Amino acid sequence: QKEVEQDPGPLSVPEGAIVSLNCTYSNSAFQYFMWYRQYSRKGPELLMYTYSSGNKEDGRFTAQVDKSSKYISLFIRDSQPSDSATYLCAMSPISNFGNEKLTFGTGTRLTIIP
Amino acid sequence: DARVTQTPRDKVTEMGQEVTMRCQPILGHNTVFWYRQTMMQGLELLAYFRNRAPLDDSGMPKDRFSAEMPDATLATLKIQPSEPRDSAVYFCASGGVFGTSGRGEQFFGPGTRLTVL
Repeated sequence: QKEVEQDPGPLSVPEGAIVSLNCTYSNSAFQYFMWYRQYSRKGPELLMYTYSSGNKEDGRFTAQVDKSSKYISLFIRDSQPSDSATYLCAMSPISNFGNEKLTFGTGTRLTIIP
Repeated sequence: DARVTQTPRDKVTEMGQEVTMRCQPILGHNTVFWYRQTMMQGLELLAYFRNRAPLDDSGMPKDRFSAEMPDATLATLKIQPSEPRDSAVYFCASGGVFGTSGRGEQFFGPGTRLTVL
C-alpha cells in the first residue's frame, strides 16, 4: 500500500462550483502538507502548503489538514476553467522540504467546464 | 526569470538504446532531484543530490539507471539499456532552503517525455 493515496479522477465540474480534492496518508511522521498544480505538458508548481493540522486560505484556495484522520483536502471556490489541471498532494516529515525528498500522491485530474 | 531547464523535451527510442536526459538547475539551488511520473505510479523519486553529492538513489534501478552531477549547472540521468517499461515523463527539480523559514521550495523543470519502443 502506498504511503499517500489520492483518487486519480478524472473530476469534471461546472464553472463556479466548489471543488474538493483529497488525500489520505499512513505515515504519522508527516508534518508538512503541500498541494502542487500541474498543467498539461508542464512540471508541477507549488500551490500552497500547511503545517500540522488546521486550515490555510489563499484567495480561492483553502487547504485543510486533519492529522487525527490522516486526511488532507484542497478546496477551490468559484472554480474557473484556468483551474483545469492535475493536482498532486505531497508530504514531508521535516520543515526544510525544499531540500529533502517529498512523498507525492498520484494526482487528481480536474476539468472545469465553462 | 529563473527556471529549471531540461533537454530533450521528447525522446523516442528503441529498446536497448542508451538514453541521456539533462537538467540545468536554478543557479544557487544546492539540491537536485530526479522524479519519474507515470499514470499508474504517479510521481516517484529516483535520486537526489546535494551540493553535487548523491544522497539517495534508492528509487532508481541500479542495473540500468545512473545519475550524476558533473558540475553545479548540469545533472544527468542515463538509462542503458532502455526498456519499454521505462516509458514515462522524467522531471528534474531543484531546491534549497531559503531565507529564515527553513523551508524553501522545489522547482520543477518541464520534463522529458520518454517513449521506448
